Amino acid sequence: GQQLNQSPQSMFIQEGEDVSMNCTSSSIFNTWLWYKQDPGEGPVLLIALYKAGELTSNGRLTAQFGITRKDSFLNISASIPSDVGIYFCAGQTRTEKLVFGKGTKLTVNP
Amino acid sequence: DTGVSQDPRHKITKRGQNVTFRCDPISEHNRLYWYRQTLGQGPEFLTYFQNEAQLEKSRLLSDRFSAERPKGSFSTLEIQRTEQGDSAMYLCASSSPQWELFFGEGSRLTVL
Repeated sequence: GQQLNQSPQSMFIQEGEDVSMNCTSSSIFNTWLWYKQDPGEGPVLLIALYKAGELTSNGRLTAQFGITRKDSFLNISASIPSDVGIYFCAGQTRTEKLVFGKGTKLTVNP
Repeated sequence: DTGVSQDPRHKITKRGQNVTFRCDPISEHNRLYWYRQTLGQGPEFLTYFQNEAQLEKSRLLSDRFSAERPKGSFSTLEIQRTEQGDSAMYLCASSSPQWELFFGEGSRLTVL
């Protein structure tokens, strides 16, 4: 089946540093989405990407839809303590369901 | 609050009992999805509805699982004869016309 390889699995950074994480797949996706999940809560949508090559920003977050449609990255600039959480990439298939990566756990030290 | 609502948030049950979860999607969304998430993993697709029609079911959805969306609004997910391996967070999501999925806060199931 379709799988997303998300890396890194975890990151430990200092407040103020920039963060980069990415997702790759052997499959082509029509849409890439990035979510953040806090413990015990559902995932919250951060950014949605619809076209190959698209670069989209949401505040300190920037994400890109890879030109091959098989990958995406998410950057967070000037991290703050509330950025702590698990970040998931998700690719949307032609049958409209989302396939998720295993997540990147981000820890920000003040 | 007009987001996706799930009930109950937490359910503890004994093995062999039946449980039912309810999801109320965002009102203007006609697609509704169920996902399951275990510790350290991303959400895994279970099934989805467009209005009242169940369009796709994952192989993860065994015969003990059944989902309904009778009037194209709220949905229920029932698990019969629960097993310890069913312990997980059950997530519901609904999608906008742009296919962006918005998730509820989840229903956490613990089977003893």
